[in-house]
Amino acid sequence: GEDVEQSLFLSVREGDSSVINCTYTDSSSTYLYWYKQEPGAGLQLLTYIFSNMDMKQDQRLTVLLNKKDKHLSLRIADTQTGDSAIYFCAEGMTTDSWGKLQFGAGTQVVVTP
Amino acid sequence: DGGITQSPKYLFRKEGQNVTLSCEQNLNHDAMYWYRQDPGQGLRLIYYSQIVNDFQKGDIAEGYSVSREKKESFPLTVTSAQKNPTAFYLCASSITSGMSYNEQFFGPGTRLTVL
Repeated sequence: GEDVEQSLFLSVREGDSSVINCTYTDSSSTYLYWYKQEPGAGLQLLTYIFSNMDMKQDQRLTVLLNKKDKHLSLRIADTQTGDSAIYFCAEGMTTDSWGKLQFGAGTQVVVTP
Repeated sequence: DGGITQSPKYLFRKEGQNVTLSCEQNLNHDAMYWYRQDPGQGLRLIYYSQIVNDFQKGDIAEGYSVSREKKESFPLTVTSAQKNPTAFYLCASSITSGMSYNEQFFGPGTRLTVL
């Protein structure tokens, strides 16, 4: 099947900004999501963006969407040690009416003091 | 508090044995899902269910089985036919499927190790 692609690892210094990138596959996806997974835990929805938007800001999180290139990014401002986790992007599939999510492999973010 | 529970958190199984992972939700969600997570591979969909007494195969259903006898419960059985069952298993639910917005809520996961 087609893949949602993410880089696997990002190291960032505490206080700096983190940028996690993702390319998705379905140009007709209506919603795109960012989930966070802390060690040994389930996934937690961080934010989402509707496809008719270019940008969405939510406190320290900024999501940018480039539909032409099918590129999604998540920026975390003032990164803290508590932001160390795996971040998954996911697209809502529209090839059928069921609305499944297709996840990327996840980006491991490590925040160093 | 509403949420999704999975039990047990850690599970050990001998080769050749079937094992059942529990998933319960009290969110009144119609749709439920099982994913398998392996390092560096993200989440792969095993089975999903849109409604009681109905379920569909996902991308990697071979060697697994499910049932959906109650809205709140969606147990997953890992059979001896599954060639490489050691993994982290995640259950999720959503209000309904077939909508364009489909936030999925996840349980804490079960780590299965085959000895």
